[in-house]
Amino acid sequence: EVQLLESGGDLVQAGGSLTLSCAASGFSFSSYAMSWVRQAPGKGLEWVSAVGSDGLSFHYADSVKGRFIISKDNSNNILYLQMNSLRAEDTALYYCARPNSPISGTRWFDSWGQGTLVAVSS
Amino acid sequence: DIKMTQSPSSVSASVGDRVTITCRASQGFSSKLAWYQQKPGKAPKLLIYAASSLQSGVPSRFSGSGAGIDFTLTITSLQPEDFATYYCQQGDSFPLTFGGGTKVEIK
Repeated sequence: EVQLLESGGDLVQAGGSLTLSCAASGFSFSSYAMSWVRQAPGKGLEWVSAVGSDGLSFHYADSVKGRFIISKDNSNNILYLQMNSLRAEDTALYYCARPNSPISGTRWFDSWGQGTLVAVSS
Repeated sequence: DIKMTQSPSSVSASVGDRVTITCRASQGFSSKLAWYQQKPGKAPKLLIYAASSLQSGVPSRFSGSGAGIDFTLTITSLQPEDFATYYCQQGDSFPLTFGGGTKVEIK
């Protein structure tokens, strides 16, 4: 069974930093690209960042580019999101998400974690 | 960036109704579109991918169609468990983008 377990969410002051983790199990983690998707309270879904299966290619939403860094530890099956210069508008539930196929270019997600909450106080 | 515009933003329907949700892209692409269902307090659930492919385990009353800029999610014979918020998402190019969501409410 595929499992994704996020952790690291917290209350942090604006300008601060936080690192989220997503522990993966039940599938060949090294074969899949992975993404982070967030959802502000009462709002819709926003894709944040993606990393290639080998951990060597990266993509970011404009809203986080230059502030967030995604990484992937294929030895320990963990996805990370390092968040710097946090803003009030980064307040959201952060999900890690896995595509429904390891085929390169598959960019829709059939497996999601339960989310970890990041709250940024201004 | 490809902007995805969903309509309507909400719809009231009864059990047994047919519901259609539309997603329009700001620029055309092939069939790299997905639909999700989200219930309060839960993670999104993938319903349809590649515009019209039904995700494993999803009831056949859900179907998707479209290509280019206009895509549609149809729920035939709405069931009580289908009352939720639905999102489209383009997977054609980065940054990936979601539509604003359509809330399907009980009439």
